[in-house]
Amino acid sequence: AQKITQTQPGMFVQEKEAVTLDCTYDTSDPSYGLFWYKQPSSGEMIFLIYQGSYDQQNATEGRYSLNFQKARKSANLVISASQLGDSAMYFCAMRESSKGSWGKLQFGAGTQVVVTP
Amino acid sequence: GAGVSQTPSNKVTEKGKYVELRCDPISGHTALYWYRQSLGQGPEFLIYFQGTGAADDSGLPNDRFFAVRPEGSVSTLKIQRTERGDSAVYLCASSGGKGSSYNEQFFGPGTRLTVL
Repeated sequence: AQKITQTQPGMFVQEKEAVTLDCTYDTSDPSYGLFWYKQPSSGEMIFLIYQGSYDQQNATEGRYSLNFQKARKSANLVISASQLGDSAMYFCAMRESSKGSWGKLQFGAGTQVVVTP
Repeated sequence: GAGVSQTPSNKVTEKGKYVELRCDPISGHTALYWYRQSLGQGPEFLIYFQGTGAADDSGLPNDRFFAVRPEGSVSTLKIQRTERGDSAVYLCASSGGKGSSYNEQFFGPGTRLTVL
């Protein structure tokens, strides 16, 4: 079964607008972490933001915020004030901590974001 | 040093050959990870090391794949009897250690493997 689902294969967003990228996850592990990575056309994976399952507050990092809805098992990424440099592939990932493999990230299929002037 | 480095950046080989892919993690990082990314897909976990030992190798697809990290820094991913289906970008990442969280995995630029 798919652990991470990203239903939006691609999105266009205008510069300076906000964009929300959807991510739902599937786990029975009470302790887990959720991650977002950016992959520009150069290919390198860039860490954006992390949310732990026990964190009470939604994570924020600059223009990135994670809308964590635990009951719905969703972890959407919000990018505010989009810039042309935000054009990239965005991946949601999960780590299930209780199984003893805290290093294993499971990634979704990604969402391609194109920011237009 | 700087970031995670991987060599070679590109590798073309023939079906049935043996290949080695190298990863140099960020200095001081204790954990090292290997992923494989096929075209149009997210990275797929292969194996990770904590120090010299493989903490989880559940993602290695079969016994043709093997990875080592003998001194707890550089790692080599070894693929025997390569098949066309092994063609992908192989990503390495590292994390953890003094002043560094295990949450953020720092990725290298990848090795693009093409099996003809």
